[in-house]
Amino acid sequence: DTEVTQTPKHLVMGMTNKKSLKCEQHMGHRAMYWYKQKAKKPPELMFVYSYEKLSINESVPSRFSPECPNSSLLNLHLHALQPEDSALYLCASSRAILLYGYTFGSGTRLTVV
Amino acid sequence: KNEVEQSPQNLTAQEGEFITINCSYSVGISALHWLQQHPGGGIVSLFMLSSGKKKHGRLIATINIQEKHSSLHITASHPRDSAVYICAGNYGQNFVFGPGTRLSVLP
Repeated sequence: DTEVTQTPKHLVMGMTNKKSLKCEQHMGHRAMYWYKQKAKKPPELMFVYSYEKLSINESVPSRFSPECPNSSLLNLHLHALQPEDSALYLCASSRAILLYGYTFGSGTRLTVV
Repeated sequence: KNEVEQSPQNLTAQEGEFITINCSYSVGISALHWLQQHPGGGIVSLFMLSSGKKKHGRLIATINIQEKHSSLHITASHPRDSAVYICAGNYGQNFVFGPGTRLSVLP
């Protein structure tokens, strides 16, 4: 298995909703990442987990809450989002933190209404 | 400041043409990546380079450490190559993306 799987592929949520994005890999990678990408812009790093511990938080608002329950899973919990949070959310993984080739997921297209 | 620049920003080619996308970066990089992103889709890692040249199918990536410059070449381009190509660099614990080059290959 050489993939990073993200679910759901599309999500529409209201500003009062609570939802979660899920990312899974079974390549034995010990670093996992969340990126946010707005249209026609490069991805922006949000969070990095290394060995299931939060290593980098790029000053992301608390309405985004990451969780890494085990080495294969990475969640992003969403609560009280704003319309400007609508974007493509990409998950990635690598053998070790920021030093090796990445494998990216296909992303979750999030729309906040 | 860690910076990655790309040119051109947009590129339109006819099927079969040889394509070159350029990337320049600031000092301090430990590895350079070329990534491909199709419209609305996820990102595929094409190459990771720290020196020399790599080839995969019709894609060739080169890096010149002294010049701080990398190129991605596509030979015999095809409409399915239409995508955004992103150059990105490892700077210690930072991963810096270039702005991307939007490629359209016309049949």
